[in-house]
Amino acid sequence: AQKITQTQPGMFVQEKEAVTLDCTYDTSDPSYGLFWYKQPSSGEMIFLIYQGSYDQQNATEGRYSLNFQKARKSANLVISASQLGDSAMYFCAMRVGNFGNEKLTFGTGTRLTIIP
Amino acid sequence: DGGITQSPKYLFRKEGQNVTLSCEQNLNHDAMYWYRQDPGQGLRLIYYSQIVNDFQKGDIAEGYSVSREKKESFPLTVTSAQKNPTAFYLCASKQGYTEAFFGQGTRLTVV
Repeated sequence: AQKITQTQPGMFVQEKEAVTLDCTYDTSDPSYGLFWYKQPSSGEMIFLIYQGSYDQQNATEGRYSLNFQKARKSANLVISASQLGDSAMYFCAMRVGNFGNEKLTFGTGTRLTIIP
Repeated sequence: DGGITQSPKYLFRKEGQNVTLSCEQNLNHDAMYWYRQDPGQGLRLIYYSQIVNDFQKGDIAEGYSVSREKKESFPLTVTSAQKNPTAFYLCASKQGYTEAFFGQGTRLTVV
């Protein structure tokens, strides 16, 4: 069975500092994908970044980067130079299964609060 | 504009009633998903569908039912068998190995 674990229920970070949100996963499927989403208080889900299991390099999207350590089964999100607008819930998710039969599983989330 | 639309935004259900949440997408995506989110919690998978007329149970399917008669539509019915239906419900769609796109959600409350 596949599982996503986020062990930080909440984090407080000073504005302009970098922050790392932890995510570990468990699957026996050799082909999988890892996603990070941001959920502001409005409830919408905003896609941030994606890493495929066969990707050799860590994914980056602007201030977001994914620290992918395959042997340790971790996919931590790094936000550089945090901003007040980064305050939100952050979810790690994993896609497993073959094309046409894919399951998308989410972790329990981390609530990030940026302090001015 | 392409996107995924959930309606209604807020829904109130009396005890013992069935209610249906709508999810429509015009992204031409094959896969669609329903999630339940409780306050301060993560997203739990209820049902998912990869093609028309086929769907699979997720981790918490009991008390829910779905249909997939058209590619664009994946309605979720919360039946009276669901004992604690008050939650935020999110619908998503995706195509291939790309990110899932989400609707704005439906907040269901039992009164």
